[in-house]
Amino acid sequence: QVQLQESGPGLVQPSQTLSLTCTVSGGSISSGSYYWSWLRQPAGKGLEWIGRIYTSGSTDYNPSLKSRVTISVDTSKNQFSLKLSSVTAADTAVYYCARGTDYADFVYWGQGTLVTVSS
Amino acid sequence: DIVMTQSPDSLAVSLGERATINCKSSQSVLYSSNNKNRLAWYQQKPGQPPNLLIYWASTRESGVPDRFSGSGSGTDFTLTISSLQAEDVAVYYCQQYLITPLTFGGGTKVEIK
Repeated sequence: QVQLQESGPGLVQPSQTLSLTCTVSGGSISSGSYYWSWLRQPAGKGLEWIGRIYTSGSTDYNPSLKSRVTISVDTSKNQFSLKLSSVTAADTAVYYCARGTDYADFVYWGQGTLVTVSS
Repeated sequence: DIVMTQSPDSLAVSLGERATINCKSSQSVLYSSNNKNRLAWYQQKPGQPPNLLIYWASTRESGVPDRFSGSGSGTDFTLTISSLQAEDVAVYYCQQYLITPLTFGGGTKVEIK
């Protein structure tokens, strides 16, 4: 059973770069043909897809965040990462990593990590 | 972007009664390659990540109780809980996965009346 776990700072200063890592267990991140995604959810609000990286390394980003987002993969550590630059209070949210299958994009989820942007 | 609109925003249903949630997409999410709708439903309980209930608009994910069903095609979809149980109290989201950006509906909160 694939398991995902987000990690990273819970507090980020405005204008800085938010960096999170998703560690995958129960399977190799480089095996199969899957999308590995990042999503976020502000407190009390809905879900927003940030972007994804394919097993091949190709990426797709939400145009609303594209200029500030980078998603990368480290196969040696079985991890993929999110970097979001120039953060503001509006980027405060629970951030989730997730993996898709051939029939749906978000089948396996991490538990989520709260990131607060504040000085 | 495909905009997903859910209704109602919240719903209170008696235990054992039917709950119906609607989802409308701003354009068809029918995937021409296999004639299936790329529409999923998720359930999210407080403090937990979302959990996939339905994919291809009407296929239940493994382990999901059969009181949950999905229907619809093109731009109009419905999630039905045939007999509401206490453990079904949650927020439900529809999501399209036809094109990027992948987008979600605003959510429907289901409570017990």
